[in-house]
Amino acid sequence: EPEVTQTPSHQVTQMGQEVILRCVPISNHLYFYWYRQILGQKVEFLVSFYNNEISEKSEIFDDQFSVERPDGSNFTLKIRSTKLEDSAMYFCAPGVRVPQNTEAFFGQGTRLTVV
Amino acid sequence: GDSVTQMEGPVTLSEEAFLTINCTYTATGYPSLFWYVQYPGEGLQLLLKATKADDKGSNKGFEATYRKETTSFHLEKGSVQVSDSAVYFCALSTRETSYDKVIFGPGTSLSVIP
Repeated sequence: EPEVTQTPSHQVTQMGQEVILRCVPISNHLYFYWYRQILGQKVEFLVSFYNNEISEKSEIFDDQFSVERPDGSNFTLKIRSTKLEDSAMYFCAPGVRVPQNTEAFFGQGTRLTVV
Repeated sequence: GDSVTQMEGPVTLSEEAFLTINCTYTATGYPSLFWYVQYPGEGLQLLLKATKADDKGSNKGFEATYRKETTSFHLEKGSVQVSDSAVYFCALSTRETSYDKVIFGPGTSLSVIP
């Protein structure tokens, strides 16, 4: 049973369009992370979100990106004006704190293709 | 900053061969260590983990031992199968890292041929 569901599984969008990627956790997680994986490359941290605010973001997470939890359950990543180089797999990972660390449960990802 | 290094791929092995994928890390504090696997066209799955020195994580015939003295977490499997063909990512998470984000290595692609 997956801890998180991501929708859509695949989205194709035109350059300059806005996209919203959604993440629905099964449990009531407090921590959320978004990661990006450009095809064939490493998995890169984008942003962490705790207690309804951004706790850390990477250099990749510029003004074109935003995250929110609109209804207290779903967790979204918005890209305002997509660029070709935004084409990637985007993974949502809710997390729970255990004594040693936070365990992140990765979703199946959304494949974003910008054309 | 914290980082993970793993051996370059791709790695090609015959079925039933022994697998080792090397992984070393640099971290402040005491990280937890993970191996994730990504099968073709799929997402990231946690394969195994170890949370303290000398712990051995194991799953599906894969093993990795947390070696603090050598800052390593090498992945091993005694006899690989075609179905093990995937990309393997070594990763760490540390309580000292802001909000415990997971830091990934570059990944090692494994192809197992019959």
